[in-house]
Parts: sequence; C-alpha cells; structure tokens
Amino acid sequence: AQSVTQLDSQVPVFEEAPVELRCNYSSSVSVYLFWYVQYPNQGLQLLLKYLSGSTLVKGINGFEAEFNKSQTSFHLRKPSVHISDTAEYFCAVSPPGGNTPLVFGKGTRLSVIA
Amino acid sequence: GAGVSQTPSNKVTEKGKYVELRCDPISGHTALYWYRQSLGQGPEFLIYFQGTGAADDSGLPNDRFFAVRPEGSVSTLKIQRTERGDSAVYLCASSKGGELFFGEGSRLTVL
Repeated sequence: AQSVTQLDSQVPVFEEAPVELRCNYSSSVSVYLFWYVQYPNQGLQLLLKYLSGSTLVKGINGFEAEFNKSQTSFHLRKPSVHISDTAEYFCAVSPPGGNTPLVFGKGTRLSVIA
Repeated sequence: GAGVSQTPSNKVTEKGKYVELRCDPISGHTALYWYRQSLGQGPEFLIYFQGTGAADDSGLPNDRFFAVRPEGSVSTLKIQRTERGDSAVYLCASSKGGELFFGEGSRLTVL
C-alpha cells in the first residue's frame, strides 16, 4: 500500500523568505505525485503534479517541486513567500493511470509572518 | 456551476440520527470521489465512483456508511446511526482522467 509522510506539521516562515515543505512517499511501483493547497474555509486546489518526464515540476503561485526517486521524495519549494501563501499544504500519491484514488499526507500548515 | 458543489456546507445532528450529504460534480466528469477530513488530518479516501458504479469502496469505515450515484452525476453519501466520531469535513471531488477537482466540503458535527 502507498503512504505519504509530511515530516513537518507546521512551518512558520517570514515573508519573502524561502520555504521548503517536505514530502516522502512509500511505494514499490511507479507513482504520480501531487501537491494540493487548502486556504482557510476553501476546498483543496491543485498546486502542481508529477506524472512523468522532467523531475522538476513548476506549479501555480511560484511553487515548484522536485521528484527524487532514489530518496522517494517530492519536496515543495518557493524562493520567496507572501502572506497570502498562508495555508495548509497536502502531498498526495497515486498509482499511474487516471481515475485512481489519491492517498494524502497529514498536511503541513505554512504560516507566513510579516 | 463551474465547480464541484457540496450541500449542505454545515450540518449539525444528534448522535443516532441519519444524515445525507450531496455532491454535484463538474459536468462531464465521469469519476467521483468521497473523502473525509478530520481535524488536523489529511483527506482520507472513502469511496470512488466511475459512472454509476462504485469502483472502490474500500475506504468506507463500516456498514453505517453508504454512497450512491444513480445517474452517474450527483452523488449522495449516507450515514446511518451517526456517532460523535463521524464528525469531520466530508470532501467530494470529481475527475475526468487525471486532476481531481474538490468541492468546499460538508462539515458534519455530531453532538
């Protein structure tokens, strides 16, 4: 069975500082990887996804993530955060192919401090 | 509407009561998912429909939980004899071969 570990439950960071949110997965087969963001009182929104190809994936709002197969990681990064990036971030994994349920991590709460 | 719509947005009920939560997916999306998100946790998979049939219901916690999608569009999650532990946000998502689009969820509180 696949699983996702988000190592940090909370990450405080000052505005305009860089941030990295860590995600590790366990799977014996190829995977698709996703990062979702959940702003307060809103639904989950896709930030970016890795399906195949280039291991560096760029998403919305200036976020990017790098797939590292040897370390089974998919860490999310942003070089300079804004107050508006304050939200809950979820890493998720699924087997390749469409329409298969995602397995989510427990989430990381990013708090951007002015 | 353009997105996934879930009703009610909030539901407060008493222990032992029956509850229905509705999900209206994006038009044309064949796949529909139900997840449950408890406080401080990530979304937990419950059930997945491909068209009218449940393709995977392995995440339903027990037989008090049931979901239907009779016409391959709107889905209803049904919870019988609710317990306090059922309190959570119930998320619905739809998909057409790839990205999941989530609704804002239905917050269920069982007193």
